[in-house]
Amino acid sequence: AQTVTQSQPEMSVQEAETVTLSCTYDTSESDYYLFWYKQPPSRQMILVIRQEAYKQQNATENRFSVNFQKAAKSFSLKISDSQLGDAAMYFCAYRSSGGSNYKLTFGKGTLLTVNP
Amino acid sequence: NAGVMQNPRHLVRRRGQEARLRCSPMKGHSHVYWYRQLPEEGLKFMVYLQKENIIDESGMPKERFSAEFPKEGPSILRIQQVVRGDSAAYFCASSQRTTSPGELFFGEGSRLTVL
Repeated sequence: AQTVTQSQPEMSVQEAETVTLSCTYDTSESDYYLFWYKQPPSRQMILVIRQEAYKQQNATENRFSVNFQKAAKSFSLKISDSQLGDAAMYFCAYRSSGGSNYKLTFGKGTLLTVNP
Repeated sequence: NAGVMQNPRHLVRRRGQEARLRCSPMKGHSHVYWYRQLPEEGLKFMVYLQKENIIDESGMPKERFSAEFPKEGPSILRIQQVVRGDSAAYFCASSQRTTSPGELFFGEGSRLTVL
């Protein structure tokens, strides 16, 4: 079974600075998808960024980018020019491309605080 | 275009009562998924449904929990004889298809508190 580990329960960053959130995962599959979701105080799960394992190029969405290291099974999220609205719980998630490809496996989350 | 709608947002029940949580998927989506988030935890898969069919309920507790997605109306997650350990946020997600890279759209969740 796949597992997702987020080793940082909490992180903080100064407004306008850069922060990196860590995520590692364990799988025996070669093809899969990785995601970062944001959960603000409203509790809605918002997709931040997605990475296909077969793509070597790291995904980027505006101020959000990932460092995907397939061999190391590492998938970190970098937030540049942090804004107060980035404060939230961030979840890393794994999804198989095979049989049960509708299931997301989530890590326990990292609570990000943005200091003004 | 409304997103995934869940209600109620907050539900309080006493031990032994029943809880019913409803989910209306996004327009055009025929796949519905329920996830549970316990305190201090990530979301965990419970069940996957299509209209009138349960496709995968491997994440559902064996007793007291059931789910349905009728031909008409919202998907329902039903918890009978609730216990304190059922207190959690229950999230519904929907998608157009399951083939990757289909994206799941989440609702805002229903928070169940069992007294």
